[in-house]
Amino acid sequence: AQSVSQHNHHVILSEAASLELGCNYSYGGTVNLFWYVQYPGQHLQLLLKYFSGDPLVKGIKGFEAEFIKSKFSFNLRKPSVQWSDTAEYFCAVSPPNTGNQFYFGTGTSLTVIP
Amino acid sequence: DAGVIQSPRHEVTEMGQEVTLRCKPISGHNSLFWYRQTMMRGLELLIYFNNNVPIDDSGMPEDRFSAKMPNASFSTLKIQPSEPRDSAVYFCASKADSPLHFGNGTRLTVT
Repeated sequence: AQSVSQHNHHVILSEAASLELGCNYSYGGTVNLFWYVQYPGQHLQLLLKYFSGDPLVKGIKGFEAEFIKSKFSFNLRKPSVQWSDTAEYFCAVSPPNTGNQFYFGTGTSLTVIP
Repeated sequence: DAGVIQSPRHEVTEMGQEVTLRCKPISGHNSLFWYRQTMMRGLELLIYFNNNVPIDDSGMPEDRFSAKMPNASFSTLKIQPSEPRDSAVYFCASKADSPLHFGNGTRLTVT
């Protein structure tokens, strides 16, 4: 069965610290990969996505993610976090040709301390 | 583009009452998803539709839950009868190709 694992449940960082959130998936074929962000009290918004091509993708607000096929990973990174990055972050996988299935990880709560 | 529109934003009801949540997907999107978000279980897919047809409802918790999509621009999620453990934020999302676009959610509280 398809699954998405986010190993960090809660992360607390000081402003300007670097961020890396882990995401691993279990699917042997080609997948589309996403990171969504949910700010407090708001809905999920797309941060970035990977379909094919350059495995290092850049998203909004200085976020980037690297697809490493051999590790089944799609980790999210940001060199220097800000207080406004405090939010819940969700990794999602959508295998092609599966009738629009989307699988979300359990989310990682990020708190940035000013 | 008005985005995915959900109503109501907040719903407070008593146990045993019927609750209906509504969703208007983005025009032109042919897939619609209902998710439930709780602290304990995170984001759970309840059901999704392709071209108004339910494709996978294996996430629907039990028979008290039902969802319909009578046309391409409207879907409902109904809980009857509601129970306190149904309290959660319910998100509707739609897509054409990719990615998913989420609505603002309905926060349901069942007392």
